[in-house]
Amino acid sequence: EPEVTQTPSHQVTQMGQEVILRCVPISNHLYFYWYRQILGQKVEFLVSFYNNEISEKSEIFDDQFSVERPDGSNFTLKIRSTKLEDSAMYFCASSDLLVLSYEQYFGPGTRLTVT
Amino acid sequence: KNEVEQSPQNLTAQEGEFITINCSYSVGISALHWLQQHPGGGIVSLFMLSSGKKKHGRLIATINIQEKHSSLHITASHPRDSAVYICAVKVYTGNQFYFGTGTSLTVIP
Repeated sequence: EPEVTQTPSHQVTQMGQEVILRCVPISNHLYFYWYRQILGQKVEFLVSFYNNEISEKSEIFDDQFSVERPDGSNFTLKIRSTKLEDSAMYFCASSDLLVLSYEQYFGPGTRLTVT
Repeated sequence: KNEVEQSPQNLTAQEGEFITINCSYSVGISALHWLQQHPGGGIVSLFMLSSGKKKHGRLIATINIQEKHSSLHITASHPRDSAVYICAVKVYTGNQFYFGTGTSLTVIP
């Protein structure tokens, strides 16, 4: 069964550094998403991406964040100048818009630890 | 701003019990998503609903659009059902999902 994959599973970085989190969505999916879950808190929407551009973003997704689909398979989240409060689990998800079901398939997540 | 509330926050059940988890939301939605988050953190989609009822194995999900309420039922619960169950709603405008805080379920053998 096709699945969303994410790398790395755990990333440790120092405050102020840039990190890139990688995702490979399900191949025929057209909508891509990034979510964040701070430990012990609820999942929060960051951004959705369709047709090579951001379709919607939350107030969390400020200039520190950017997304890119550099090729036909990868979908990346870049966090510039990381802060301690960026420590969280980051989930990528994708959905098949053609089905119009909006059902999202989630990756296993990347745990980001900023020290 | 849409609020998504789940109840109960924590639930402990004996194996075999029938379980109900509730989700209420405050604005009009186009779809509601029930998700399961395992202790390791991974998230699995269970159901996507826009009306009525869906059933998959021992899981049943219902939604009442007028009352802005959805329920997730687990029949004949099993210890492997132990997880956090999350409700997320998609509002009419835009593509953003708003998540509840989750219901932590523990099923005791």
